[in-house]
Amino acid sequence: KNEVEQSPQNLTAQEGEFITINCSYSVGISALHWLQQHPGGGIVSLFMLSSGKKKHGRLIATINIQEKHSSLHITASHPRDSAVYICAVKGYGGSQGNLIFGKGTKLSVKP
Amino acid sequence: EAGVAQSPRYKIIEKRQSVAFWCNPISGHATLYWYQQILGQGPKLLIQFQNNGVVDDSQLPKDRFSAERLKGVDSTLKIQPAKLEDSAVYLCASSVGGGATGEQYFGPGTRLTVT
Repeated sequence: KNEVEQSPQNLTAQEGEFITINCSYSVGISALHWLQQHPGGGIVSLFMLSSGKKKHGRLIATINIQEKHSSLHITASHPRDSAVYICAVKGYGGSQGNLIFGKGTKLSVKP
Repeated sequence: EAGVAQSPRYKIIEKRQSVAFWCNPISGHATLYWYQQILGQGPKLLIQFQNNGVVDDSQLPKDRFSAERLKGVDSTLKIQPAKLEDSAVYLCASSVGGGATGEQYFGPGTRLTVT
C-alpha cells in the first residue's frame, strides 16, 4: 500500500464545475504539499500545509491531521486548470526535506 | 526571481549510451534535489544535496547513476550506461534549506527516452 493515496486518479469536469481532489496518507507528517504538473513535466507548488486551510484565488486546500486527509478544491474550474495535481507529504524521520509523493490526479476541464 | 533551470529539456538515447543532465537552482538555495518520475507515477527522490554535500542518496542506483554538485550551486546527474527502464522525466528542485517544511521549487524537467 502506498503511503500517499490520491483519488480520483482521473477526473473530467465541465468548465465552471467545483472540483475536489482527495489525498490520504498513512504516516505522521510535518507538512503536506499540493503540486501542479502541466504536460511537459514542470511542477509548480500550489500549497504547503501543516494545519487548517489555505486559499489562493480559486484554489482551496484543507488538511485534517487527525484523519490524515487533505483535499484540494478548485472553484469555477477552467480549461487552463487541466493538469496533474500531486499530493506530497514530508514524514518524520529520514532525511530532511524528503517528500513522499502520491501518483497524481489527472484533471481535464472541458470548455 | 529566476526559477530552477534544467537542460536539456528532451533527450533520446539508445540503451547502453551515457547521458548527463544539468540543473541550476534558484540563487541562494542551499538544498538541491534530483527526482525521477516514471510515466503515471509520482516523483521519486534520487539524491539530495545540502550545499555540496550529499544528504540522501539511498534510492540512487549507484551502479549506473552518479550526481555531483561540486561548488554547491549547479549540479549534474549522469546515467552510464542507460537502460530502457531509465526512460522518465528527471526533475531538479531546490529549497532554501532542507528542513521539514521548506518549500521546494521545481524545474521544468528533462524528459529522457531510452530506446
